Amino acid sequence: DAKTTQPNSMESNEEEPVHLPCNHSTISGTDYIHWYRQLPSQGPEYVIHGLTSNVNNRMASLAIAEDRKSSTLILHRATLRDAAVYYCILFLIVFGNEKLTFGTGTRLTIIP
Amino acid sequence: NAGVTQTPKFQVLKTGQSMTLQCAQDMNHNSMYWYRQDPGMGLRLIYYSASEGTTDKGEVPNGYNVSRLNKREFSLRLESAAPSQTSVYFCASSGGRDLLSLGQFFGPGTRLTVL
Repeated sequence: DAKTTQPNSMESNEEEPVHLPCNHSTISGTDYIHWYRQLPSQGPEYVIHGLTSNVNNRMASLAIAEDRKSSTLILHRATLRDAAVYYCILFLIVFGNEKLTFGTGTRLTIIP
Repeated sequence: NAGVTQTPKFQVLKTGQSMTLQCAQDMNHNSMYWYRQDPGMGLRLIYYSASEGTTDKGEVPNGYNVSRLNKREFSLRLESAAPSQTSVYFCASSGGRDLLSLGQFFGPGTRLTVL
């Protein structure tokens, strides 16, 4: 399986944008890039995903490098509620058989 | 909708005891999963079920068994608990037409301690 590399931890000030990087140099052409986050004492929750183009949704934006070997999750205006562990995950979707391989993720701390 | 529910929320076992963790989803999803998360680690897949009546091993299946009772329910059984199975267990489900855009839905977890 293709691997991802993320910084162990990051800090950001409240109400400022946050850019969370992810390297995935061995990504294959059919791997999707997914981001999940895990709030303290909760299960992970889906944030966003993409394949080749940049993506936006109500939670975040995903910027994907042209060669797809890296991506960046962007939180446009961090709040205290965004403090969580963020996981960047690659996987190939075959109907009924998508397995997420979690790394250790990036622990994001928001400073009031 | 309750989403994904898990019971119990907490459990303490002695080495050698058995127990079953229950999971149910009300989103009509085809696929269900069991993960474990050890302190400071990411989640690791134990077993998954792509559809009712089928189950497959994940990354760390040893010491566990699963049953996909019906489309809604997917249980995880520890036949003879060991201290190495102390962990937080998460159940998840996915499926439907919006599979790609909605990802997997996770339950709140079961915190298991084996003494």
